[in-house]
Amino acid sequence: EPEVTQTPSHQVTQMGQEVILRCVPISNHLYFYWYRQILGQKVEFLVSFYNNEISEKSEIFDDQFSVERPDGSNFTLKIRSTKLEDSAMYFCASRKKRGGNNEQFFGPGTRLTVL
Amino acid sequence: GIQVEQSPPDLILQEGANSTLRCNFSDSVNNLQWFHQNPWGQLINLFYIPSGTKQNGRLSATTVATERYSLLYISSSQTTDSGVYFCAVGQGGSEKLVFGKGTKLTVNP
Repeated sequence: EPEVTQTPSHQVTQMGQEVILRCVPISNHLYFYWYRQILGQKVEFLVSFYNNEISEKSEIFDDQFSVERPDGSNFTLKIRSTKLEDSAMYFCASRKKRGGNNEQFFGPGTRLTVL
Repeated sequence: GIQVEQSPPDLILQEGANSTLRCNFSDSVNNLQWFHQNPWGQLINLFYIPSGTKQNGRLSATTVATERYSLLYISSSQTTDSGVYFCAVGQGGSEKLVFGKGTKLTVNP
């Protein structure tokens, strides 16, 4: 069964460094998402992406964050200058199309630790 | 925005027991999903169930959209069922899923 994959599974970085989290959505899906979960808290929406542009973003998704679909398979989240409070689990998700079944499928997550 | 409340926050069971987890939401939805977060932090899709009833093995779910709640039933629980169960909802006109705070389930042998 097709799955969303994410790399790396765990990333450790120093405060102020740039990080890029990578995701490969399910191949025939058209909508892509990033969510994050700070340890012990609920999962929060960051951004959605469709047709090569951001379709919706939350207040969390400020100028430090950017997303890109550099080729036909990868979807990335870049954090420009990491802060301690960016430490969290980051989940990528994808879904097939607008209308009908709008189920989102989640990847296994990347645990980001900012020191 | 829409509010999602899950109950109970914590649940401890003996292996073999049955349980019911509840998700209440404050507005109409066009997407409702149940997830299991395992000890490694992975979110496992359990059900996509904006309305109606579904069953998958020992797990089943029911959403009564008009009453704005969903229930997840776990029968004959096993230690591997331990983890956090999240309900998440989506509304028309928005792409995002809004998650509840989860129910932490511990199944003891």
